[in-house]
Amino acid sequence: QLQLQESGPGLVKPSETLSLTCTVSGDSISRSSYYWGWLRQPPGKGLEWIGSIFYSGSTYYNPSLKSRVTISVDTSKNQFSLKLSSVTAADTAVYYCARHSGGSYSRRFDYWGQGTLVTVSS
Amino acid sequence: QSVLTQPPSVSGAPGQRVTISCTGSSSNIGAAYDVHWYQQLPGAAPKLLIYANSNRPSGVPDRFSGSKSGTSASLAITGLQAEDEADYYCQSYDSSLSGSVFGGGTKLTVL
Repeated sequence: QLQLQESGPGLVKPSETLSLTCTVSGDSISRSSYYWGWLRQPPGKGLEWIGSIFYSGSTYYNPSLKSRVTISVDTSKNQFSLKLSSVTAADTAVYYCARHSGGSYSRRFDYWGQGTLVTVSS
Repeated sequence: QSVLTQPPSVSGAPGQRVTISCTGSSSNIGAAYDVHWYQQLPGAAPKLLIYANSNRPSGVPDRFSGSKSGTSASLAITGLQAEDEADYYCQSYDSSLSGSVFGGGTKLTVL
């Protein structure tokens, strides 16, 4: 059974960079024909897609966050990572990693991590 | 403001049928991109409930069904149960934004 697990600091200071890692188990990132994505959910609010990466390193990002986001993949560790720079309180959210599956007209998130709360505060 | 529009809340009594709408535009749902639905129980991660407009992943009861027409989609839940009380989100792809977009979510209350 595919499992995803987010890890990283739960508290980040304003203006600093948020860094999270997602460890995938139950399948190999490099063997699969899937994208792997990051999403977030501010407390009490809805879901927002941040960006996604293919095992080859090909990425695409939410235009509203693109200038601050970098997603990378480490196939040797079966992990992919998120970096979000210049964070503010508005970036406080539960961050999820997920498998991004489906064809060009049917992209969806079929496996999710449990989520990790990141608070931006001094 | 979310790209896809959902009602903030719906409610129904046990055993009843409820529907949740998801309205988009010509750059997402109307552009033939599929709609997917997620169920988020309190304190839990979202779970894929319906994919590609009307398909249920293994293990999802057939009380849940989805449909799509034009620039809108709907999620129907029949035989409401207390355990269905959750937030529901629709999701699609938007060609103008070149990425995945979500509805604002609908809170289902089972009376």
